[in-house]
Amino acid sequence: AQKVTQAQTEISVVEKEDVTLDCVYETRDTTYYLFWYKQPPSGELVFLIRRNSFDEQNEISGRYSWNFQKSTSSFNFTITASQVVDSAVYFCALSEDNTDKLIFGTGTRLQVFP
Amino acid sequence: GAVVSQHPSWVICKSGTSVKIECRSLDFQATTMFWYRQFPKQSLMLMATSNEGSKATYEQGVEKDKFLINHASLTLSTLTVTSAHPEDSSFYICSARVAGALGEQYFGPGTRLTVT
Repeated sequence: AQKVTQAQTEISVVEKEDVTLDCVYETRDTTYYLFWYKQPPSGELVFLIRRNSFDEQNEISGRYSWNFQKSTSSFNFTITASQVVDSAVYFCALSEDNTDKLIFGTGTRLQVFP
Repeated sequence: GAVVSQHPSWVICKSGTSVKIECRSLDFQATTMFWYRQFPKQSLMLMATSNEGSKATYEQGVEKDKFLINHASLTLSTLTVTSAHPEDSSFYICSARVAGALGEQYFGPGTRLTVT
């Protein structure tokens, strides 16, 4: 069965600190997609990244970076030099190749204090 | 591109009434749309998958007679919460998949429903 685990319920950091949000997934499929979304207080989900299971290269986008490790079934997300505007709930999600259904983790609430 | 809108953004209704929420893909055709529900401080739970021109597929535990979904065109899906009760109060979010693009979903801004 598919499952996404975000063990960190809430993280608080001070501005400019680096922070890593953990995501561990379970799936029996060999082809699948992993996602990260940001949900600010307004509620609208903001797409951050999609990664397919065959692409294990790490990705960097500005202050954001993602570490995909199939060996540990993890897809962790790091924010470098965090800012107050990064405060939000971050969701990791999984979908398998034969379906578009997104299975979301429980989310990690990140609070960045000035 | 790939913008999804929802209307209304928030609604308050009395217990026993029905509420319709619209989800529109503004600049692309969406053969498939999804409806999620999110309770406060919880994750998004998929309620149903809506395919244009056919019946929606509901997830286990979701009452199809209570949550009516209609996907009449490639740009519009509606969710009607019938005979709403306070426990139906939630944040309802739709997403739309670009036709032919497996794995790409775009989310609407959500509709906050409060049933009094």
